[in-house]
Amino acid sequence: KQEVTQIPAALSVPEGENLVLNCSFTDSAIYNLQWFRQDPGKGLTSLLLIQSSQREQTSGRLNASLDKSSGRSTLYIAASQPGDSATYLCAVIGGATNKLIFGTGTLLAVQP
Amino acid sequence: DAGVTQSPTHLIKTRGQQVTLRCSPKSGHDTVSWYQQALGQGPQFIFQYYEEEERQRGNFPDRFSGHQFPNYSSELNVNALLLGDSALYLCASSYSFSVAKNIQYFGAGTRLSVL
Repeated sequence: KQEVTQIPAALSVPEGENLVLNCSFTDSAIYNLQWFRQDPGKGLTSLLLIQSSQREQTSGRLNASLDKSSGRSTLYIAASQPGDSATYLCAVIGGATNKLIFGTGTLLAVQP
Repeated sequence: DAGVTQSPTHLIKTRGQQVTLRCSPKSGHDTVSWYQQALGQGPQFIFQYYEEEERQRGNFPDRFSGHQFPNYSSELNVNALLLGDSALYLCASSYSFSVAKNIQYFGAGTRLSVL
């Protein structure tokens, strides 16, 4: 059974810092991994999608990496801003299913 | 181009009642998935609809049922509501061709409170 874990559960950093969020999964047989952002009480916004054959994806100040063999992904946020404050969720699709399996998220607070 | 839309945004029900939530997928998408997100948790997969049929189901009781219409919109029905059904219900849409390779787009969700 696929399980997704995110560490840390919460993170507070001063504005301008670079930071890394971690995601690990137990079954390496995934099709893709997706990072989402969720603002309080809101839906999910897709940030980056990494296919199983890819090692990383970049969008602006965000860079996501994927190491299937070790069951890990990282989301790197450069030069953090207060507007980056949100919960970040990673999710995988794998095996014979088409469902997303989510971690519990990392709550990020960027202090001005 | 409208994204995924869900209605209503908030709903308050009492135990034992029934509720229907609605979702319209993003233009061009034909597959709809429903997720339940309890406070402080990641979303949990409920079921997925394609071509008006339930294609896959998560670990949810039969009180949770759904429907997909010819225009690809979908409904989630929950019968005999329990306090534990209080959550944010999220709808996601995608294009069926190689679903696993495509980004799933989420709506803003429906916040259900069961009293």
